[in-house]
Amino acid sequence: KNEVEQSPQNLTAQEGEFITINCSYSVGISALHWLQQHPGGGIVSLFMLSSGKKKHGRLIATINIQEKHSSLHITASHPRDSAVYICAVFGNEKLTFGTGTRLTIIP
Amino acid sequence: DAGVIQSPRHEVTEMGQEVTLRCKPISGHNSLFWYRQTMMRGLELLIYFNNNVPIDDSGMPEDRFSAKMPNASFSTLKIQPSEPRDSAVYFCASSFGGPGPQHFGDGTRLSIL
Repeated sequence: KNEVEQSPQNLTAQEGEFITINCSYSVGISALHWLQQHPGGGIVSLFMLSSGKKKHGRLIATINIQEKHSSLHITASHPRDSAVYICAVFGNEKLTFGTGTRLTIIP
Repeated sequence: DAGVIQSPRHEVTEMGQEVTLRCKPISGHNSLFWYRQTMMRGLELLIYFNNNVPIDDSGMPEDRFSAKMPNASFSTLKIQPSEPRDSAVYFCASSFGGPGPQHFGDGTRLSIL
């Protein structure tokens, strides 16, 4: 079993829909990252969380330390949100990645 | 502000050759990460430096791979000898304070023939 599990692996939605991507982990962590990788290959760090909730524009990330679970939400989704979203956890000075969620937003 | 700068952007070379990838982190950042991304394995952490000292190199695949950070503004990842299975995109990222938000370079696309 992977230490970091993401779901779903693939998600296709219509423009405007509310999107949720989940990340569950089994190790103790000091921080969790959400990364976005666009089709061109560039990687952008969206959020770093150690507790609670963060919001940036239409993106919201939450983490529940007790349940070892984080969610990334996108409100009013847009085709430019189409990308691979990767969860990564940092614990015991090790960084472990989920396998990513490929999101496609259809106009 | 300049972001993380990687060079070269693309490298194509024959197997057996030495390959050197370079990274300049964001000024002021004290943590630097080397990653490899392939279709089969996704994104993998190879090595992580904090204050120029390697903290975790458990992701370095084998002795053919080595990484150095001689100072706070420069790091190299070397493969010698290179093999076709080393073909991948190699990313460098930097952050302030280890687990802090990371800034990624554009990556080096490496093809070993």
